[in-house]
Amino acid sequence: DAMVIQNPRYQVTQFGKPVTLSCSQTLNHNVMYWYQQKSSQAPKLLFHYYDKDFNNEADTPDNFQSRRPNTSFCFLDIRSPGLGDAAMYLCATSRGSGGQETQYFGPGTRLLVL
Amino acid sequence: AQSVTQLDSQVPVFEEAPVELRCNYSSSVSVYLFWYVQYPNQGLQLLLKYLSGSTLVKSINGFEAEFNKSQTSFHLRKPSVHISDTAEYFCAVRQTQGGSEKLVFGKGTKLTVNP
Repeated sequence: DAMVIQNPRYQVTQFGKPVTLSCSQTLNHNVMYWYQQKSSQAPKLLFHYYDKDFNNEADTPDNFQSRRPNTSFCFLDIRSPGLGDAAMYLCATSRGSGGQETQYFGPGTRLLVL
Repeated sequence: AQSVTQLDSQVPVFEEAPVELRCNYSSSVSVYLFWYVQYPNQGLQLLLKYLSGSTLVKSINGFEAEFNKSQTSFHLRKPSVHISDTAEYFCAVRQTQGGSEKLVFGKGTKLTVNP
């Protein structure tokens, strides 16, 4: 089945130690998104790629970076995780970036910062 | 900027009872509205969406939502819920800003269906 895969499902890191979360998709979609979801809060868009074009949200901290080496893979890099970065990180894809497009989500990676 | 308010953070109901999950949006332009569902330990899945046309939209598993422009609402309803409907439900609106479009989500409503 075509899907969005996130690995690992749970990630533990230390305060200040760089960490990378990965996302892959078999849908061949043009757009890939990264969301941060803290407990009891709405998913918050961090950035997205339309093909190779990177679109950063204005309020996304510089601590968060992303890479998309090819259509199928997208990575979220947190350069120096703080305690406040502990959250669920959701990857999503869509065929296009128009407002009517359905986004397909992965199961998420829960990040714990010690 | 567009925003979404989900008025209830938790809704407990008994099996086979009707349920309504409330969603209000703020938008000054034409709206696209979505309901996503998140089952335990899974990602979000699209439940239904309103883009244009008929204001009543339905999902394959018995949920429906009605776009009400005058009340700026997009409430989700089901006449008879099952245990398997236990999940978190997110309402979302399309936001257009600076030439780009994105989804803005509400905080979610946890629906718990009890036997």
